[in-house]
This record gives sequence, C-alpha cells and structure tokens, in this order.
Amino acid sequence: GESVGLHLPTLSVQEGDNSIINCAYSNSASDYFIWYKQESGKGPQFIIDIRSNMDKRQGQRVTVLLNKTVKHLSLQIAATQPGDSAVYFCAEIKAAGNKLTFGGGTRVLVKP
Amino acid sequence: EAQVTQNPRYLITVTGKKLTVTCSQNMNHEYMSWYRQDPGLGLRQIYYSMNVEVTDKGDVPEGYKVSRKEKRNFPLILESPSPNQTSLYFCASSLIGQGQIYGYTFGSGTRLTVV
Repeated sequence: GESVGLHLPTLSVQEGDNSIINCAYSNSASDYFIWYKQESGKGPQFIIDIRSNMDKRQGQRVTVLLNKTVKHLSLQIAATQPGDSAVYFCAEIKAAGNKLTFGGGTRVLVKP
Repeated sequence: EAQVTQNPRYLITVTGKKLTVTCSQNMNHEYMSWYRQDPGLGLRQIYYSMNVEVTDKGDVPEGYKVSRKEKRNFPLILESPSPNQTSLYFCASSLIGQGQIYGYTFGSGTRLTVV
C-alpha cells in the first residue's frame, strides 16, 4: 500500500550544527505535507507544511524541501538547539483526502 | 487558547470494564479524529468525523466506538477493553477547506493501560 516513510530512525546532532531529517513518500497523489515535532510526554506539534506545487518553504530556523521527482521530503533545522531534541514525523494528505498518513518518526538527539 | 483537551491523561483499568476518553476542541473545527501510538507502529487512525453525526472508521477501528453529537466533542469509547488496547491515544482536530483537511491540532494524549 501507499506509505510515508523515514530513512533514519535516530539522528544525533551537535548543538549548533544543522539537522536534516528525510522522508520518502510513495503516493504521487499526495497534495500536502506536514512536519510534526513530538516531545516526550506531549502530543505532536505542527512545525511547517508545504503544498505539492512548491519546492521549498521556510519558517523560523526550519526549511522544508519537497522533491516530487523522487518523492522525497526533508526538514532542515538550522543551528540545532537542545530544545530541538524530539521525534519528528512527516505526514501526507492526498488531495481531497480525509486523513493524515504519518511516517514512522525520526528521533533527534542534540549533544551539548 | 486554541486547544484540544483530552481526559484523562493517564488511566489504568481492568479487562472488560467500559471506559470513555473525552476529547474537546475550542476551535470550531469540523474534523476530529482519534489515533493510537504504539512503539514500532507509529500513529494509526482509529476513527474520524467530518462533522456532527458523521463518523467513519480509520485503519484500526476494532474494539472502539465514537460519537459526534456536538461539534466540539468527540469521545472515544472502549466497551470491553482488552490488554492489546494498551496504548497512547491522541485526539486531533482540523479545519476543512475546499473539501480537504489541513494540519491537525493534537491533544496532549491519554496513556491507557489495560490489565
């Protein structure tokens, strides 16, 4: 079936370095993609989204890149901080879809 | 503050004892949904609702019921809980625009243990 997946289950990053979290999706009908951050003991929080008609979108210290040719999504976090330690999920919605489909998650550990 | 509120946060119960997990949102969202989160299995959708009195099964609906009598509330009911329903549960809500949902707002989660 169609799925959203992640390449790396755990990413260890030095504080101050940039982080890159990758995600592959297999459904070419997906129209809308979102990155979520889940800290321990909390619900997932929206970070940034991107529509399929865009290649790049920037937020505060975060950038999402979408490569539709290879069905790849990435989240870049600039100057990673200890507060960025969390599990990050990508999610997709098909056009006129009625649910988000989530990837398995990548744990980001920030080393001081 | 715009939020999704779940109660209780933690619950330990015995097999077969009916329970309800409540969910309420104050954002006037049409769409609400329940997910369970399990190690190695990620977030899986249980049920969702596109509007009042409209509910549909998600990917793992067995053993669960929901109702949507009011726009703001979407309770999750376990009529006869079993140990395999031990999990972390999340309620989420979303606006619907042009027939499509957008990003979810999640509640803080309910940790359920069935012994």
